[in-house]
Amino acid sequence: EVQLVESGGGLVQPGGSLRLSCAVSGFTLSTYSMIWVRQAPGKGLDWLSYISSSSATIFYADSVKGRFTVSRDNAKNSLFLQLNSLRADDTGVYYCATYVGRGRPGDFWGQGTLVTVSS
Amino acid sequence: QSALTQPRSVSGSPGQSVTISCTGTSSDVGSYDYVSWYQQHPGKAPNPMIYDVTKRPSGVPDRFSGSKSGNTASLTISGLQAEDEADYYCCSFAGTYTWVFGTGTKVTVL
Repeated sequence: EVQLVESGGGLVQPGGSLRLSCAVSGFTLSTYSMIWVRQAPGKGLDWLSYISSSSATIFYADSVKGRFTVSRDNAKNSLFLQLNSLRADDTGVYYCATYVGRGRPGDFWGQGTLVTVSS
Repeated sequence: QSALTQPRSVSGSPGQSVTISCTGTSSDVGSYDYVSWYQQHPGKAPNPMIYDVTKRPSGVPDRFSGSKSGNTASLTISGLQAEDEADYYCCSFAGTYTWVFGTGTKVTVL
């Protein structure tokens, strides 16, 4: 059974940092590109980042470019998102998801981890 | 990238059909046949319903169908059922490994 489990969320002050993890099982992470998506409370979905299977290709949404960093450890079946210089509008549930193609960017999704940026 | 525009809500009675529109620009929806749709029940992760404009992942009922014309994509739910009540989001490829989601539509089954 395919599973993705995000962790690392929590309450952080503005300007602070967090490192989110996405542990996968039931499939070989090294064969999949991955994406991160955020959902602010009561709001819609926002695509944040794409990372190819080998980490050779990485892209970010303009809203997080220069502040967030995506990485992966295929040997440990884990995906990461480093969040720096956090702002109040970064508050939300962060999801990792498998990428299958340009028209199928989110196939299997995790349950999400909540990040709250507040003083 | 601005979010794709969807109606805030649509509703229908069981057995009826509803259509959700998703309007983008010539830089996203209008340029690529890479539109996907996601269903999200409260407190749950998004669930893919349509990809590549018209294709259904395995397990998705054929009551769900997708289409596109110009800068607007659409999701139609035929034979509406109670379990279809959820939020729906479109998503379009926007060039060079970037994507944009829609504003979301709440589907209510009357």
